Amino acid sequence: GDSVTQMEGPVTLSEEAFLTINCTYTATGYPSLFWYVQYPGEGLQLLLKATKADDKGSNKGFEATYRKETTSFHLEKGSVQVSDSAVYFCALSDNYKLSFGAGTTVTVRA
Amino acid sequence: EAGVTQFPSHSVIEKGQTVTLRCDPISGHDNLYWYRRVMGKEIKFLLHFVKESKQDESGMPNNRFLAERTGGTYSTLKVQPAELEDSGVYFCASSRGVLAGGYEQYFGPGTRLTVT
Repeated sequence: GDSVTQMEGPVTLSEEAFLTINCTYTATGYPSLFWYVQYPGEGLQLLLKATKADDKGSNKGFEATYRKETTSFHLEKGSVQVSDSAVYFCALSDNYKLSFGAGTTVTVRA
Repeated sequence: EAGVTQFPSHSVIEKGQTVTLRCDPISGHDNLYWYRRVMGKEIKFLLHFVKESKQDESGMPNNRFLAERTGGTYSTLKVQPAELEDSGVYFCASSRGVLAGGYEQYFGPGTRLTVT
């Protein structure tokens, strides 16, 4: 079945540091890929998505590129802020349901 | 527009007891989903409603779990009797259409269930 493997955390960074969270997937067919974020005390929010190979999703300074050849969708941000502290989930979809990774907790220190 | 709401936010029950979780989707969203995150692991799909009909309940762990969506509005997820391994965070999501159609799933804040 479809599955997602993402970098284990927790990850602790200083403000303005570069953030990368690795995500690889296994799927039949051509899934859409997503990054969701959960801020403390809140629900999951869609951060960005890509629907086909070589697409780049971007939002709030975060980027991820759908790499079919390496089955990857790594999340990057060039300069993190304290407000980026959250749990990040990589996910893929078939027609209607999402398959998530285990989540990566990111803490950004001032 | 109100988001997806879930009640309660946290429930602590003893093994063998019954718990009912409630989800109110965004108004007008025919699609409703339940997911679960156990022990900091992956968030796993439980089931999918379209209006009041169950489209896919392949992720339901066993027959101790019963989901309903009477009238196609809010949904409940009952666990009876609860076991220790049922502890986790239960998320509800809703959408106007399916992901393949470009529709986003909107998630609630989750219900944290602790079975002691």
